[in-house]
Amino acid sequence: LAKTTQPISMDSYEGQEVNITCSHNNIATNDYITWYQQFPSQGPRFIIQGYKTKVTNEVASLFIPADRKSSTLSLPRVSLSDTAVYYCLVGDIRRYSTLTFGKGTMLLVSP
Amino acid sequence: DTGVSQNPRHKITKRGQNVTFRCDPISEHNRLYWYRQTLGQGPEFLTYFQNEAQLEKSRLLSDRFSAERPKGSFSTLEIQRTEQGDSAMYLCASELREGIDEQFFGPGTRLTVL
Repeated sequence: LAKTTQPISMDSYEGQEVNITCSHNNIATNDYITWYQQFPSQGPRFIIQGYKTKVTNEVASLFIPADRKSSTLSLPRVSLSDTAVYYCLVGDIRRYSTLTFGKGTMLLVSP
Repeated sequence: DTGVSQNPRHKITKRGQNVTFRCDPISEHNRLYWYRQTLGQGPEFLTYFQNEAQLEKSRLLSDRFSAERPKGSFSTLEIQRTEQGDSAMYLCASELREGIDEQFFGPGTRLTVL
């Protein structure tokens, strides 16, 4: 299982771009990278998933370098409502049961 | 609301009592997962179902825990002889097809064992 390392917390201000990096040195060939967002007293919510290079959707971008040993979740122009815990998961998505959430990164967005 | 629902949202019980939680997945989602989350930690996988079949159980799921998914629809998670260490948020997630579709999580059931 690929172990992930994320910063415990990050601070930002409204309107800024936030980049959260996740290290996963032992990523395997079949592993994908998935990011979830979780607000207090709610279940996690899927943000984005990728295998290599760059993936973009309506809420975020995911940058994955060629060696795939790390990935960066980019949130453009954050707002107060983006304050949440962000989890990076790495593993074979054919077996979600093998994915581990870790402690995540607590992002605090201030006015 | 067509999302994953869980009941009850909160449960307070005394040590030694049995508790049962229910999860109603998104309609037609074949896969259903149970997770446990303690304060300051990410969710930990407990078990999952493909339709009515329980395909995998974590080592975290002691023999006091049992999960069912009769008829491949809703699921229940029962904890017998609860212990204070069982206090946590119990999350349910459903997925249409593993590896192709994302997991959708419910709001969770917060269990407090006194």
